[in-house]
Amino acid sequence: ETGVTQTPRHLVMGMTNKKSLKCEQHLGHNAMYWYKQSAKKPLELMFVYSLEERVENNSVPSRFSPECPNSSHLFLHLHTLQPEDSALYLCASSQLHGTGNEQFFGPGTRLTVL
Amino acid sequence: GQNIDQPTEMTATEGAIVQINCTYQTSGFNGLFWYQQHAGEAPTFLSYNVLDGLEEKGRFSSFLSRSKGYSYLLLKELQMKDSASYLCAAGGYGQNFVFGPGTRLSVLP
Repeated sequence: ETGVTQTPRHLVMGMTNKKSLKCEQHLGHNAMYWYKQSAKKPLELMFVYSLEERVENNSVPSRFSPECPNSSHLFLHLHTLQPEDSALYLCASSQLHGTGNEQFFGPGTRLTVL
Repeated sequence: GQNIDQPTEMTATEGAIVQINCTYQTSGFNGLFWYQQHAGEAPTFLSYNVLDGLEEKGRFSSFLSRSKGYSYLLLKELQMKDSASYLCAAGGYGQNFVFGPGTRLSVLP
């Protein structure tokens, strides 16, 4: 079982659709992250769940809504997106409160908003 | 505030050595990380420094100076497959962990 999995790998949606991205980690970590990576831009941290508590980046529009039902699963619910939201969405996990808290990334979901 | 700076692009020749620099200013510090990201793929972890000095791992080495807020990644015996973006990341826990913009390395034959 690979460390961090994401589904779907590719998603095309219209601006009026509602969809969800799913992330699952099998590493026993206690923190999970959503990142957005647009073409030729650095990784942008969207949300962090630490010990199942959300730490929110205030600059993220409300059309993105995260959910973390337990320490292994993370969702990103999408609704009424805009074409500029098209990007690679990466999930990551790490172990906090110890040394070497490197983040392990999933393969990402390539999202296209028409 | 939090800031990480890296060169945007670098070019090197197959078989050569290249050094990618990173400077950082972060709130809290729990280590300096380097990741490799091939186009269209997720970043993969390369190395981690929490103490000053050089960490060597095969063809890759990473150096840290905490007093200077400075790190570098050294790649030896470059191969074509090393063409990728290299991301420097630093900070504390959770939301205080920040990625730099990445350095796009092109390895030429």
